Amino acid sequence: ELKVEQNPLFLSMQEGKNYTIYCNYSTTSDRLYWYRQDPGKSLESLFVLLSNGAVKQEGRLMASLDTKARLSTLHITAAVHDLSATYFCAVDFYNTDKLIFGTGTRLQVFP
Amino acid sequence: DSGVTQTPKHLITATGQRVTLRCSPRSGDLSVYWYQQSLDQGLQFLIQYYNGEERAKGNILERFSAQQFPDLHSELNLSSLELGDSALYFCASSVVSQGGSYNEQFFGPGTRLTVL
Repeated sequence: ELKVEQNPLFLSMQEGKNYTIYCNYSTTSDRLYWYRQDPGKSLESLFVLLSNGAVKQEGRLMASLDTKARLSTLHITAAVHDLSATYFCAVDFYNTDKLIFGTGTRLQVFP
Repeated sequence: DSGVTQTPKHLITATGQRVTLRCSPRSGDLSVYWYQQSLDQGLQFLIQYYNGEERAKGNILERFSAQQFPDLHSELNLSSLELGDSALYFCASSVVSQGGSYNEQFFGPGTRLTVL
């Protein structure tokens, strides 16, 4: 059974600080996705990572994938309040298009 | 706005009842996925349809069923509802991957189901 674990589950950050969210998964896959969810809202696609060593950046967020370590990271640079949301990683189960989601990391950025 | 639409936005019903959730995928997307999001189970994949055919099944209860119609919209039917079925139900769509290409799924706004 594929398990996807994120840590931390909750992250409270001060504006301007940097931090990293980790996503570990238990079995082979080379497709990993990051989504953002605002409270009560839908999921917004952030990054698509398709191969070992893939790195994508958008604004203050950067995602990377290490398929050998079965690890993806989402790095936040100089956090701002607008980044407050829950972030999910999702792994494509044996590349079958079936997404297995992590537990989510609730990020709160305060002044 | 992802281009995926879901109706209704909210649904309140009683235990033992049956409801139908509807989803229209983005224009051109052949694949539709259903997910359930609850506080205790998190986000769980339920089922996938591709061009009218069931393609993958996840942790979907026998009381739940889905179908995809020729116009590609999909319906999720939930019957004999229990309190524990209260959750946010999302539909997503994608251009299906073909031999190595990726599968970015775009999510609809969700239907919040409350079972009383």
